[in-house]
Amino acid sequence: ETGVTQTPRHLVMGMTNKKSLKCEQHLGHNAMYWYKQSAKKPLELMFVYSLEERVENNSVPSRFSPECPNSSHLFLHLHTLQPEDSALYLCASSQDPTGIVETQYFGPGTRLLVL
Amino acid sequence: DQQVKQNSPSLSVQEGRISILNCDYTNSMFDYFLWYKKYPAEGPTFLISISSIKDKNEDGRFTVFLNKSAKHLSLHIVPSQPGDSAVYFCAATGGATNKLIFGTGTLLAVQP
Repeated sequence: ETGVTQTPRHLVMGMTNKKSLKCEQHLGHNAMYWYKQSAKKPLELMFVYSLEERVENNSVPSRFSPECPNSSHLFLHLHTLQPEDSALYLCASSQDPTGIVETQYFGPGTRLLVL
Repeated sequence: DQQVKQNSPSLSVQEGRISILNCDYTNSMFDYFLWYKKYPAEGPTFLISISSIKDKNEDGRFTVFLNKSAKHLSLHIVPSQPGDSAVYFCAATGGATNKLIFGTGTLLAVQP
């Protein structure tokens, strides 16, 4: 248990659906991240939030829309996704996005399947 | 173009023997390297790291070696235990950003 929880753990959605992924961290961290892991590909950073402000958008398509209402919660809103968006979506948090990188704590991920 | 490469998707080792996981990188600006371990249905957890000012870092059964001239690092686990069976990710950072760049991972299976 890393102190970072993600719901749902599994999600199947159609291309016309709208869904949201939720991440919550109980560590008092100031920064939160979304990563994507596709099959046989490296973990890819999608978004970084620091103190609830987005500090990085790694050229992610607009069908992915992040939201960080407070430093403990991070959402990823999904809309009109494509089958190639099927992947494991990992949330992470850290004390400070400019700090030592190994202090990123990951959640268990949401396994997303887009049909 | 992948900046961090783990060319072996899987590795099988007998319990008690040494496991060697390899990682290559292309960006000479990288100055900090990390290994993460991931069990199924869990997120990656930090295992060990090394700065470019060192060529070796040891933590118990885990040792990371860095060869800057070859842009290569390796993780040695000795002795390997069945509980070490997991996916191991190499990651690197440095230059203008603290962003972590990950490899594709190597699945280690330690056979009892």
